Amino acid sequence: QQQVKQSPQSLIVQKGGISIINCAYENTAFDYFPWYQQFPGKGPALLIAIRPDVSEKKEGRFTISFNKSAKQFSLHIMDSQPGDSATYFCAASSSGGYNKLIFGAGTRLAVHP
Amino acid sequence: DGGITQSPKYLFRKEGQNVTLSCEQNLNHDAMYWYRQDPGQGLRLIYYSQIVNDFQKGDIAEGYSVSREKKESFPLTVTSAQKNPTAFYLCASRGGGNTGELFFGEGSRLTVL
Repeated sequence: QQQVKQSPQSLIVQKGGISIINCAYENTAFDYFPWYQQFPGKGPALLIAIRPDVSEKKEGRFTISFNKSAKQFSLHIMDSQPGDSATYFCAASSSGGYNKLIFGAGTRLAVHP
Repeated sequence: DGGITQSPKYLFRKEGQNVTLSCEQNLNHDAMYWYRQDPGQGLRLIYYSQIVNDFQKGDIAEGYSVSREKKESFPLTVTSAQKNPTAFYLCASRGGGNTGELFFGEGSRLTVL
């Protein structure tokens, strides 16, 4: 019940295309859903996050869509650029769990020019 | 600059030796975390600490030990009891409030020969 399932494992997109990464969770106590971006040899960095009181959050080219009833959330990267090539992790936590983030397995995104 | 410093960045050790990874933060954060990253498995929580002199086991604590004697420091020891210690280790911290955002260091890659 603590798992966060992420798909696909890897993704190849052409420059200018839309990258879509999906995550699903089981624990209904989760109330914070961030996405982290990690470049090779670096630590992950927060990209964008959402709470379940909204269904969508947009920051620049990055959008989180959240479906509470389906217990799913996704990251959309519009106008994908080669500089977006990285590994993306979804995660979830509950306020009552000392904010221990449970991470998905990651998606390796490659944006080809 | 404020941030999290992990050292060493790369470490090679013989099987059966204990290894200590350093993590220092100057963000004045109370909570600190250690994650292990393996290909295709995302980030898994080893130990976390909410305050000085207190820490809790995460999901994969066996074979690891930590201490939290100072707010700024949260070292991780990989003991000889850890069956498969070769991995990328990430330290993170989180400030107060309910944002849940983790700030990560750049990681330490441990290879056991």
